[in-house]
Amino acid sequence: EVQLVESGGGLVKPGGSLELSCAASGFTFGTYTMNWVRQAPGKGLEWVSLISSSSSYIYYADSVKGRFTISRDNAKNSLYLQLNSLRADDTAVYYCVRDSTTPLGYWGQGTLVTVSS
Amino acid sequence: DIQMTQSPSSLSASVGDRVTITCRASQGIGNDLGWYQQKPGKAPKRLIYAASSLQSGVPSRFSGSGSGTEFTLTISSLQPEDFATYYCLQHKSYPQYTFGQGTKLEIK
Repeated sequence: EVQLVESGGGLVKPGGSLELSCAASGFTFGTYTMNWVRQAPGKGLEWVSLISSSSSYIYYADSVKGRFTISRDNAKNSLYLQLNSLRADDTAVYYCVRDSTTPLGYWGQGTLVTVSS
Repeated sequence: DIQMTQSPSSLSASVGDRVTITCRASQGIGNDLGWYQQKPGKAPKRLIYAASSLQSGVPSRFSGSGSGTEFTLTISSLQPEDFATYYCLQHKSYPQYTFGQGTKLEIK
């Protein structure tokens, strides 16, 4: 069974930093493209970033480009998202999402990031 | 950027009703579309991929159709556990994926 467990969320001040982690199990992590998708409170879904299986391809939404960094460690079956220069509008639940036959097939339960002074 | 417009934004229906939700793309996306169900406080769950393929384990009362710019999600006979918010997702414009704004399905 595919399992994705996010951690690292919390309360951070504007301009601060945070690193999110996603622990994967139940599949061969190193063979799948992974994503982060976020959802602001009471709002819709927004794709944030993608990293290919070998980290050869990395992409970001314009809203986070230059501030967020996605990475992965296939030996540790883990995905990461480094969030820098955080703003109030980055407040959201962040989901770790695995591609399958097509993109965004399996989702973790999410971790909440709150940016507030 | 490809924009996805869902309608309606909210919908009231009764158990046993047939329900249809529509998603329109601002340009043709072939069949690069998925449908997701999200219940309050939970992660989204994919129901349909490639516009009309049923995700494993999803009840057959859910179906998807369409291609190009117009797509529909149909629930043939609503069950109590189907009341949730539904989103479409286009992935034609890899990797700049975009979601519809969501349709909240409520009990009448």
